[in-house]
Amino acid sequence: GAGVSQSPRYKVAKRGQDVALRCDPISGHVSLFWYQQALGQGPEFLTYFQNEAQLDKSGLPSDRFFAERPEGSVSTLKIQRTQQEDSAVYLCASSSGTSGGDTQYFGPGTRLTVL
Amino acid sequence: GQNIDQPTEMTATEGAIVQINCTYQTSGFNGLFWYQQHAGEAPTFLSYNVLDGLEEKGRFSSFLSRSKGYSYLLLKELQMKDSASYLCAVRDRRRDDKIIFGKGTRLHILP
Repeated sequence: GAGVSQSPRYKVAKRGQDVALRCDPISGHVSLFWYQQALGQGPEFLTYFQNEAQLDKSGLPSDRFFAERPEGSVSTLKIQRTQQEDSAVYLCASSSGTSGGDTQYFGPGTRLTVL
Repeated sequence: GQNIDQPTEMTATEGAIVQINCTYQTSGFNGLFWYQQHAGEAPTFLSYNVLDGLEEKGRFSSFLSRSKGYSYLLLKELQMKDSASYLCAVRDRRRDDKIIFGKGTRLHILP
């Protein structure tokens, strides 16, 4: 079907608000990744799911960041008590296999601006 | 840690050829990716090299030398639509095969 989709595309939050970012991976893709991309930088790894299992969350910058994928398809990245330094583009990617060498297909990202 | 170095910006002329270099440092190298990212859009996959040598795919080619920790992306017959950022990314066995991205090279194409 269609590629990876993310919503919302843009989100403006006041400092201290909670936000939830959604990712719809390509249907049937086992692996799902979240990345944070600051302006002028490459994507930085946040967390990785294989089906519904969160196998790696080493990149989450603080305990304000939480991700889930309860049914092994759609994933949500939640940021609590947002701070200005959380402003970035949040990219979701999925791949069909479980090998790190599998091609990752990226969504368009959610641009988060924290005022 | 992981060091991936690539030039911040490059400029080239429509119809010409440009080579974007990438050097990396890791003892856990397990493959190298190139992605293209237009402003405000998702990165899109261009190439994957795990063995030394040149991989050609249309106007784009990617080269890898594992002994030198070096790769390049070669773009031929440049078109205006090639104006984008090009991200070099390394798969690192020491980091559970995670893909680590460089900061990207912004390529500007002049008419």
